[in-house]
Amino acid sequence: DTGVSQDPRHKITKRGQNVTFRCDPISEHNRLYWYRQTLGQGPEFLTYFQNEAQLEKSRLLSDRFSAERPKGSFSTLEIQRTEQGDSAMYLCASSFGGSREQYFGPGTRLTVT
Amino acid sequence: GDSVTQMEGPVTLSEEAFLTINCTYTATGYPSLFWYVQYPGEGLQLLLKATKADDKGSNKGFEATYRKETTSFHLEKGSVQVSDSAVYFCALTTPVDSNYQLIWGAGTKLIIKP
Repeated sequence: DTGVSQDPRHKITKRGQNVTFRCDPISEHNRLYWYRQTLGQGPEFLTYFQNEAQLEKSRLLSDRFSAERPKGSFSTLEIQRTEQGDSAMYLCASSFGGSREQYFGPGTRLTVT
Repeated sequence: GDSVTQMEGPVTLSEEAFLTINCTYTATGYPSLFWYVQYPGEGLQLLLKATKADDKGSNKGFEATYRKETTSFHLEKGSVQVSDSAVYFCALTTPVDSNYQLIWGAGTKLIIKP
């Protein structure tokens, strides 16, 4: 069991650029979540997939954000036209079936300069 | 809406001291409750959980009891070690949300001095 992996671990980009993050969940986990965490705060829910279907998006997820999970395996989170306020840790988690336990990856730390 | 409130940190203790980190919640129905831990430079790890009233979750010497009457899920450990230094997050999921998204407290930083 390799756990949840995320790539890259760190990303520094200039304001206005697009960035894409990848998450590989634990194999056979059908649920996948994206959260955002800023310094000194708990994570905030962004979006949720069950298999390949994106079933819920937070109002925090503006039109500049898009997430996909083709074939119900890995997921990508893209941020277009990045802003300094997008600087945060982006966390991915997965879970299986009806379990409420979520397993987290190490996160991708985004810095927008 | 549903929410979680944790005691503010940092909490600074000496090694072998008794630890309590307070967590209270507001939720619709009967939530499941969790404690996650985040060590420096690492991701969030599930520490323990409880899914119904009076359940006690335990792991690595940490314990927390689901108290519905006081809507609390306080984290305790009898004798802390320097290696317990981390940020601890209390979180919940509710049956109202079919997506089981976690709702989090702000986290409590724990510093253990040798």
